[in-house]
Amino acid sequence: DVKVTQSSRYLVKRTGEKVFLECVQDMDHENMFWYRQDPGLGLRLIYFSYDVKMKEKGDIPEGYSVSREKKERFSLILESASTNQTSMYLCASSHGQPIAKNIQYFGAGTRLSVL
Amino acid sequence: GNSVTQMEGPVTLSEEAFLTINCTYTATGYPSLFWYVQYPGEGLQLLLKATKADDKGSNKGFEATYRKETTSFHLEKGSVQVSDSAVYFCALSNSANTGNQFYFGTGTSLTVIP
Repeated sequence: DVKVTQSSRYLVKRTGEKVFLECVQDMDHENMFWYRQDPGLGLRLIYFSYDVKMKEKGDIPEGYSVSREKKERFSLILESASTNQTSMYLCASSHGQPIAKNIQYFGAGTRLSVL
Repeated sequence: GNSVTQMEGPVTLSEEAFLTINCTYTATGYPSLFWYVQYPGEGLQLLLKATKADDKGSNKGFEATYRKETTSFHLEKGSVQVSDSAVYFCALSNSANTGNQFYFGTGTSLTVIP
């Protein structure tokens, strides 16, 4: 089975802190994604990556950055956390191109609270 | 543009009732359509998919048919169980797009009571 592991299930941070959310997948997938999930808004794509060191903006990249130094790991970075970034963050991965044709496998999510 | 609209929840049903969760979409070209399910405390997992018009996806007793004429992909199950309680997301993907190629609905929460 594909496994996508997010390093934390719950995080509490203070406004202005730099926050790292880590995601690791064990199936040698080329593509990795970061979403945030909010009630009434569903999932919204923040960033995705289709190869090591490659990244593409999603629909809501403002206030976030990402890092993909190794194929199995995709990090989401909040440079200066704000209260409106309190949310559930979901990581996903998929194999191959085109991205749209392939099933995404999701991690269990990180619930981030920014106080 | 591309978007997915699914029925508002929450939905509460008795065990063995018939389930329909409506999903309609807007897309250019020929999208693929998906239903994902999120059980409590877990990430999303694929329930079923359809990649072209008139395809029927099915899994675990759930079915959905890709209807291009009505731009719909409604999820159905003939007899729900308590273990089907979860949040269901309709989604589309569109390889004609540059950038983001996946679009998710807002999710519909289903609770099945014994």
